[in-house]
Amino acid sequence: AQSVTQPDIHITVSEGASLELRCNYSYGATPYLFWYVQSPGQGLQLLLKYFSGDTLVQGIKGFEAEFKRSQSSFNLRKPSVHWSDAAEYFCAVGAPGGYNKLIFGAGTRLAVHP
Amino acid sequence: GAVVSQHPSRVICKSGTSVKIECRSLDFQATTMFWYRQFPKQSLMLMATSNEGSKATYEQGVEKDKFLINHASLTLSTLTVTSAHPEDSSFYICSANRQGSDEQFFGPGTRLTVL
Repeated sequence: AQSVTQPDIHITVSEGASLELRCNYSYGATPYLFWYVQSPGQGLQLLLKYFSGDTLVQGIKGFEAEFKRSQSSFNLRKPSVHWSDAAEYFCAVGAPGGYNKLIFGAGTRLAVHP
Repeated sequence: GAVVSQHPSRVICKSGTSVKIECRSLDFQATTMFWYRQFPKQSLMLMATSNEGSKATYEQGVEKDKFLINHASLTLSTLTVTSAHPEDSSFYICSANRQGSDEQFFGPGTRLTVL
């Protein structure tokens, strides 16, 4: 069965520090992978997605993620975190077809210290 | 563009009553809408997929008679929790696909508390 694991429930970083949020997936075929961000009172916003091709994908707000098939991972990174990045981050996997039937991880809550 | 709203944002009801949650695509037409449920500190779980003008497709384990979904127009889907019980208390999130695209745009969610 498909599943997504985000091992870190809570992460705190200092503003300006680098960030890596972990995501591991279980899927029988090449997955479609997504990272979403959810700010309080707002809907989930798509940061980036991987369907195929280059395994390093660039997203909005300076985020990037790397698909590593051998590790079944799709970790999200940002070189320098801003206070406005504090939010909840969700990794998701989708069946072929892309966005339908997304399976989400439990989320990682990011806090940013000034 | 691609804004999805939900109403209400929070609702508290008594056990046994029914609650309706609206999901609207404000600036686009949505061929497909999805309803998710999120428990505290857990992931979003897809409940059902609804297409305009047809019956919703429910995920395994989701009671269709308890969670009534209506997708009457290309901009509105409603989820009615019938005879709500405390265990139905949760965060309900909808999303919508814009016509011509399969990207999902998410609403801000509705917090349901059943007393």
